[in-house]
Amino acid sequence: EVQLVESGGGLVQPGRSLRLSCAASGFTFDDHAMHWVRQAPGKGLEWVSGISWNSGSIGYADSVKGRFTISRDNAKNSLYLQMNSLRAEDTALYYCTRVISGDYVFDYWGQGTLVTVSS
Amino acid sequence: EIVLTQSPGTLSLSPGERATLSCRASQSVSSSSLAWYQQKPGQAPRLLIYGASSRATGIPDRFSGSGSGTDFTLTISRLEPEDFAVYYCQQYGISPPKWTFGQGTKVEIK
Repeated sequence: EVQLVESGGGLVQPGRSLRLSCAASGFTFDDHAMHWVRQAPGKGLEWVSGISWNSGSIGYADSVKGRFTISRDNAKNSLYLQMNSLRAEDTALYYCTRVISGDYVFDYWGQGTLVTVSS
Repeated sequence: EIVLTQSPGTLSLSPGERATLSCRASQSVSSSSLAWYQQKPGQAPRLLIYGASSRATGIPDRFSGSGSGTDFTLTISRLEPEDFAVYYCQQYGISPPKWTFGQGTKVEIK
């Protein structure tokens, strides 16, 4: 069974940093690109960042470019999101998602980890 | 930058009725890059349709997708109680890599 379990969320002050993790199991992790998608409270979905299976291709939404860094450790079946210079507008539930092999859509999602940026 | 606009914002229907949801792109997109997701309250989104018209694994055949160019449609032929949810369309671009979601359509019980 495919499982994606996010962790690392919490309450953080504006300007501070946070690192999210996603532990993957139930599939061959390095066969798949992985992404982060977020959802602000009561709002829609926003793509944040994605990374190819071998970390050779990485992309970011304009809203987080220069502040967030995505990475992965295939030996540990883990995906990460380093978030620096956090702003109130980064407050959201952050989902870890898997991309269908050979395609570009998200076939599995974790349950999310909540990040709240507030003083 | 491609913008996806979904309509209507809210659709009020009764179980057994047909639901038709629209997703319009600000410029022409490849059909292979268009997907639909369902999200129920307190749950993560679930992939329904990819490639504009291919159902994901385990998705009932009452869900169907169609469209091309700038206009895409998700149809639920006969609404079941579990289908009342929010639906999002999504498009992805390769160069530069970027994924875009529509703002969502809520299908609520009338």
